[in-house]
Amino acid sequence: EVQLVESGGGLVNPGGSLRLSCAASGFTFSEYSIHWVRQAPGKGLEWVSLISSRGGHIYYADSVKGRFTISRDNARNSLYLQMSSLRAEDTAVYYCARGGQYCGGDCYSGYFDYWGQGTLVTVSS
Amino acid sequence: DIVMTQSPLSLPVTPGEPASISCRSSQSLLHSNGNNYMDWYLQKPGQSPQLVICLGSIRASGVPDRFSGGGSATDFTLKISRVEAEDVGVYYCMQGLQAPYTFGQGTKLEIK
Repeated sequence: EVQLVESGGGLVNPGGSLRLSCAASGFTFSEYSIHWVRQAPGKGLEWVSLISSRGGHIYYADSVKGRFTISRDNARNSLYLQMSSLRAEDTAVYYCARGGQYCGGDCYSGYFDYWGQGTLVTVSS
Repeated sequence: DIVMTQSPLSLPVTPGEPASISCRSSQSLLHSNGNNYMDWYLQKPGQSPQLVICLGSIRASGVPDRFSGGGSATDFTLKISRVEAEDVGVYYCMQGLQAPYTFGQGTKLEIK
């Protein structure tokens, strides 16, 4: 069974830092791209970042570029999001999500087939 | 960035009746391979989002056939032929053509 379990959320002061983790199991982690998606309280979904299967390709939303760093450790089946210079608007539930590979037999990676349960990050003094 | 615009934002539906959600993208999501790089997700109350449709029209594993996705290029639709109570939640369209991936605002489907 595919599982993604986020951890590391909590309360942090504005300007502070936090490191989120996502532990994966039930699939060959090193073969899949993984994403971070966040959801502010009562708001919609916002894509945050993507890291390819071997870490060679990384992308960020403009809203976090220069402040957040995504990384992965394929030996530990783990994904990370290092967040710094945090702002009140970064307050959200952060989900890790597995990037898809095939849809209906066609090669396609632009979707998320499994999601974690999320971890809440609150930026407030 | 590609902007995804959904309508309506709220959708009250009587059980057994059909429902339709529209999603428009600011640029074409039609790939040169003929596929539309967009997806639909459902976030049920208190849960993480789940995939409903990928590549515009392919139902994800386990999704009932009362769900169907259609459209092409910049205009897409998610249809539910007969709404059931378990279908309530917020539906999001998302473009998977290029980073940054972008979602629509979400459409809240509720039972009348």
